[in-house]
Amino acid sequence: KAGVTQTPRYLIKTRGQQVTLSCSPISGHRSVSWYQQTPGQGLQFLFEYFSETQRNKGNFPGRFSGRQFSNSRSEMNVSTLELGDSALYLCASSFYGPRGNEQFFGPGTRLTVL
Amino acid sequence: TQLLEQSPQFLSIQEGENLTVYCNSSSVFSSLQWYRQEPGEGPVLLVTVVTGGEVKKLKRLTFQFGDARKDSSLHITAAQPGDTGLYLCAGGDSWGKLQFGAGTQVVVTP
Repeated sequence: KAGVTQTPRYLIKTRGQQVTLSCSPISGHRSVSWYQQTPGQGLQFLFEYFSETQRNKGNFPGRFSGRQFSNSRSEMNVSTLELGDSALYLCASSFYGPRGNEQFFGPGTRLTVL
Repeated sequence: TQLLEQSPQFLSIQEGENLTVYCNSSSVFSSLQWYRQEPGEGPVLLVTVVTGGEVKKLKRLTFQFGDARKDSSLHITAAQPGDTGLYLCAGGDSWGKLQFGAGTQVVVTP
């Protein structure tokens, strides 16, 4: 099976712009989660989508939003970018099984905000 | 909010030595996962433990879930340079939401 793919891998934006990141989960996985990873805060949960519905949400401002399509692919959007949004954004797909929510991560999108 | 604390934050050892990484919380988790992340890549799932007292072995790696399901440890025997990476633990609640620890950076030098 192909793994989780994320595009683009690298992105440079300026403050005030918006950005859309894309994630294609492992075939058969209906859950997609998004995380922000920074050296100072570690891995922070943004939100989870399951069957096109947001199921869980972390503590991020409304500038961070997402959606999931009928083929389980997901996009994450950040509007009005701030310098502090520079981070590695990770997408993970999962298949809820007897051992719970095991995450399979993509390689991430490295976002730099100037 | 469930808080997962990992210790130590950083560990540097020589090839062949043993090491243990700890993951502690005051809350009970339904499951506990361990991941390893290498530079420029996403974390990779190593193991999931769900039963209090459970011990799982993956070659030279031994994972243990505390009896009360509040803590876990990862022990690596005879570490190799390929074990270098950021080790993350993640606790799951009954709704599937995961809380990640800050991670332990392990460096194994030849």
